[in-house]
This record gives sequence, structure tokens and C-alpha cells, in this order.
Amino acid sequence: GNSVTQMEGPVTLSEEAFLTINCTYTATGYPSLFWYVQYPGEGLQLLLKATKADDKGSNKGFEATYRKETTSFHLEKGSVQVSDSAVYFCALIGTNAGKSTFGDGTTLTVKP
Amino acid sequence: GAVVSQHPSWVICKSGTSVKIECRSLDFQATTMFWYRQFPKQSLMLMATSNEGSKATYEQGVEKDKFLINHASLTLSTLTVTSAHPEDSSFYICSAYPERVAKNIQYFGAGTRLSVL
Repeated sequence: GNSVTQMEGPVTLSEEAFLTINCTYTATGYPSLFWYVQYPGEGLQLLLKATKADDKGSNKGFEATYRKETTSFHLEKGSVQVSDSAVYFCALIGTNAGKSTFGDGTTLTVKP
Repeated sequence: GAVVSQHPSWVICKSGTSVKIECRSLDFQATTMFWYRQFPKQSLMLMATSNEGSKATYEQGVEKDKFLINHASLTLSTLTVTSAHPEDSSFYICSAYPERVAKNIQYFGAGTRLSVL
């Protein structure tokens, strides 16, 4: 079955530091890949997505590139802010459209 | 963009009572909706797939008599936690996707936090 392995957290950074959260996946065919963000006590918000190999998703300074050769979708941001503190989930939807498979989540804390 | 509304956002109930959670797609039709459960500081686990007009498909290990799902219309799915107990306390999240637009984009509700005393 499908699976998503996410970099273990928690991750603590100083403001303006560079962020990388690793994500690798296992799936048959060509899944769509996603990063979601969850702020405390809230639901999930779609941060960015990529639907085919070499696609780059980007939003709010965050980027992730769909790398089929390494089955990865690492999340990056060049300069984090305190407001980026949240839990980040990597996820995929396989060729059997609909069901999402999530990674375990990575908690990011950005200190001023 | 598409919106999925979930209600209530927080519910506290006594042990043994039943709780109904609603999930509505506000501006699109969804023949399929999904229900997830999230324990504190953990990931989302798919509980079941809700199918409009037919029975829900439950994931392995999820008690279908405990978690009743009804998808009576193209915009509404409900999850009823029957005879709730403290171990059912959790964060429940639904999702749906506008099939006529894209099958690989899901929209999530804001979640319902259930606390069973």
C-alpha cells in the first residue's frame, strides 16, 4: 500500500533560518503529492501540491519539488517566520483517487 | 475556492451519549467524503469513505456500529459516534473533493474536537 515517511520532529529554528522538512513516499503509479499545515486547534490547510514528476509546488515562500527518481517531496523555505510555527503534514493521493495517506507530521517552532 | 464546513467545532458529552458531526460541501457536490481521526500530536488516520446513497466503506479496525456514517445528499455526510466513551475523545476531520473539477484535490473541514467525560 501507499505510505509517506516524514522527517521526525520537532524542529526548532530561529527566525529567518532556512527550513527543510524531508518527505519520501511509496506508491504505485503516479500519485499526487501535498503539503498541509495545521495550526494549533485547527484543521488542515493545503499549503502546496504537485501532481506530476518535476512539478514544483509553491506558496507563501514554501516550495517542494516532486522528485520521482528519489520518491521525495521535501518542503523548503528560505527564511522562516514566527508565524510559520505549526505542524506540517506531507501527504499523497494515489491513482485510486480520493484517499489521502499522511505522514506523521513535523512540528515546527520558530523562535524570534 | 471550495469550502468544506464541519459542525460542531467542539463538543463535550457524557459517556454513553451519542454525538453527531456534520460535514458539508458548501459550493460543490461530493459523491465521496472521507472521515479521519487524529489523536493528539499524531497524524490523521482514515476511518471511512462516505459514499452518497450507499454504505460507507470502513478501514480495517474501525467499528462501523460505533461510528455510523450517513451520506444522504451530495453535500452532506454525517458521522455519529454512538455510545461515546472517553477513549473516543479525539479530533475528527472530514474531507471532500469536487469530482467534476479534480479528483486529486481534497478540501478539509476545520475539524471537530470531541471530549467525552
